[in-house]
Amino acid sequence: GENVEQHPSTLSVQEGDSAVIKCTYSDSASNYFPWYKQELGKRPQLIIDIRSNVGEKKDQRIAVTLNKTAKHFSLHITETQPEDSAVYFCAASIGSQWLTFGKGITLSVRP
Amino acid sequence: GAVVSQHPSWVICKSGTSVKIECRSLDFQATTMFWYRQFPKQSLMLMATSNEGSKATYEQGVEKDKFLINHASLTLSTLTVTSAHPEDSSFYICSARSLNTGELFFGEGSRLTVL
Repeated sequence: GENVEQHPSTLSVQEGDSAVIKCTYSDSASNYFPWYKQELGKRPQLIIDIRSNVGEKKDQRIAVTLNKTAKHFSLHITETQPEDSAVYFCAASIGSQWLTFGKGITLSVRP
Repeated sequence: GAVVSQHPSWVICKSGTSVKIECRSLDFQATTMFWYRQFPKQSLMLMATSNEGSKATYEQGVEKDKFLINHASLTLSTLTVTSAHPEDSSFYICSARSLNTGELFFGEGSRLTVL
């Protein structure tokens, strides 16, 4: 089955700097790659997603890039703010099947 | 936007008892719902895929007789943790896929504590 790797497990940046979080996946058939933000004790919130027919997608301060050949995708957050501090999960799925999640990364934005 | 309601949001029970968690899609129909479990500081692990009107498909290592899943309608799936033990204490989250749009929406999660 699909295996999604997410490294590192923690990331600390200074407010205003950019943060980049990378994930790799194993199944070349995966074609949907969402990113979720989860605050403590709450449900995951979809922040951006990308499908395999697109190489990059941007939404204000957040962007996602996909490299199908290397089987990795990255989340880019620019001009980070303290409220961006949370756990971020990448995920992958094939069509309408279930999501396989990465282990998550705790992002800390220092004021 | 679409809403998935999960109830209860938290529950405390004694060992050996059973607990039922409901997952409802409030303004859309969902043929497929997914149940995840999340231990503290860990990722979401898929437990089972629930399809309306048919038996759930369980992931390897998840006991189907312990975690009973029922998906009787296009808007409701239930997870029953039977004979709960302290090691079953976790955050259980459902997600529902919209029949019309294919989008996936998460419930608020249910925190189970077994004493």
